[in-house]
Amino acid sequence: GAGVSQTPSNKVTEKGKYVELRCDPISGHTALYWYRQSLGQGPEFLIYFQGTGAADDSGLPNDRFFAVRPEGSVSTLKIQRTERGDSAVYLCASSYSGSFEQFFGPGTRLTVL
Amino acid sequence: QQQVKQSPQSLIVQKGGISIINCAYENTAFDYFPWYQQFPGKGPALLIAIRPDVSEKKEGRFTISFNKSAKQFSLHIMDSQPGDSATYFCAATMNTGNQFYFGTGTSLTVIP
Repeated sequence: GAGVSQTPSNKVTEKGKYVELRCDPISGHTALYWYRQSLGQGPEFLIYFQGTGAADDSGLPNDRFFAVRPEGSVSTLKIQRTERGDSAVYLCASSYSGSFEQFFGPGTRLTVL
Repeated sequence: QQQVKQSPQSLIVQKGGISIINCAYENTAFDYFPWYQQFPGKGPALLIAIRPDVSEKKEGRFTISFNKSAKQFSLHIMDSQPGDSATYFCAATMNTGNQFYFGTGTSLTVIP
């Protein structure tokens, strides 16, 4: 079956611009996670959804970052007024409710010039 | 503060050898300890995971050893193959499964 998909695969933007990153989880997975992975580092937790609600958004670095999951499936990570330090690979993962087995997407590589 | 500390940063092993990667943690509330394998341009993929009520778990060539008192766990890859060359991450989470804390990764190279 289809895995987690993320679009776009690459995004280049200019400092100060707004970007949206999309995640399509595996069908039936109610849990969805966003992570940020900088070069040479492990994934860093950003936000966790259970269904439509953000159950834990404590990893979002500041109020420029926001994520939604309006229908409990597709999620969008939104970054306002991008900064060069936001450049990283943004990973999405999903899992069944109650399962800790996360399935990761290939990521979106964001470059802020 | 790094919740999970991983070492070594890189590792080179001969084909057929044993690869060993170590992780340590401080938070005794952690309840689930997975290892992930990541190839360039791909997302991490779950390899094997353990809970603190057992000291060892084996799946094929991959074994996790867990030392609860020392708050350490390690991944052993037996009979390492060139196809195992990848970056490996340890991680930990509490029983709520909300946040997963990842180590900084180990780049493994298996030489033919």
